[in-house]
Amino acid sequence: QSALTQPPSASGSPGQSVTISCTGTSSDVGGYNYVSWYQQNPGKAPKLMIYEVSKRPSGVPDRFSGSKSGNTASLTVSGLQAEDEADYFCYSYAGSNNWVFGGGTKLTVL
Amino acid sequence: EVQLVDSGGGLVQPGGSLRLSCAASGFTFSSYWMSWVRQAPGKGLEWVANIKQDGSEKYYVDSVKGRFTISRDNAKNSLYLQMNSLRAEDTAVYYCARHHLACYDYWGQGTLVTVSS
Repeated sequence: QSALTQPPSASGSPGQSVTISCTGTSSDVGGYNYVSWYQQNPGKAPKLMIYEVSKRPSGVPDRFSGSKSGNTASLTVSGLQAEDEADYFCYSYAGSNNWVFGGGTKLTVL
Repeated sequence: EVQLVDSGGGLVQPGGSLRLSCAASGFTFSSYWMSWVRQAPGKGLEWVANIKQDGSEKYYVDSVKGRFTISRDNAKNSLYLQMNSLRAEDTAVYYCARHHLACYDYWGQGTLVTVSS
């Protein structure tokens, strides 16, 4: 049950696009289309942004999109806004009723 | 409106026990898997345990197996986490969360557990 690998930080200027990666193995990210992404602001509970790799819950702006290639999933935030500054975590099914999060990425809007 | 309200956290000595509760409302509680997720101070998220709708299946992260027990009372719309033999490394904010479509679509506000002498 090793954590998925995310870059500790990412940044971009308002209006730009930024992509956050989430790398696992063929036993988790690569083996299932059960990757989700969460946004967390300081002192708050996480918020679901993407589920099943690329689906967006109602109310999440379409600036947020998800994808997967092999053992790496990605979250792309287009048209960056100041309010997007937060921590982002990926999450995946890892088989045998086990689940694993990524270590988290702090997104800074410059 | 879906609401999850976590409670029961506090300061406990190493080796001690604590029982967390999560009160659910705004949805048919008995129709969903439920989970506990924790976050150590300044760290990332960690899945702790899941429980099936009727309580017949329960799964745990290796680090808490044999020490923590997840349970639910569908008549009371409540989720619980009994934590025994607590260690310093169990110090974290504990969130209950609704597990649906292989993700957590709703979260409680979290309750802080501090294990220290």
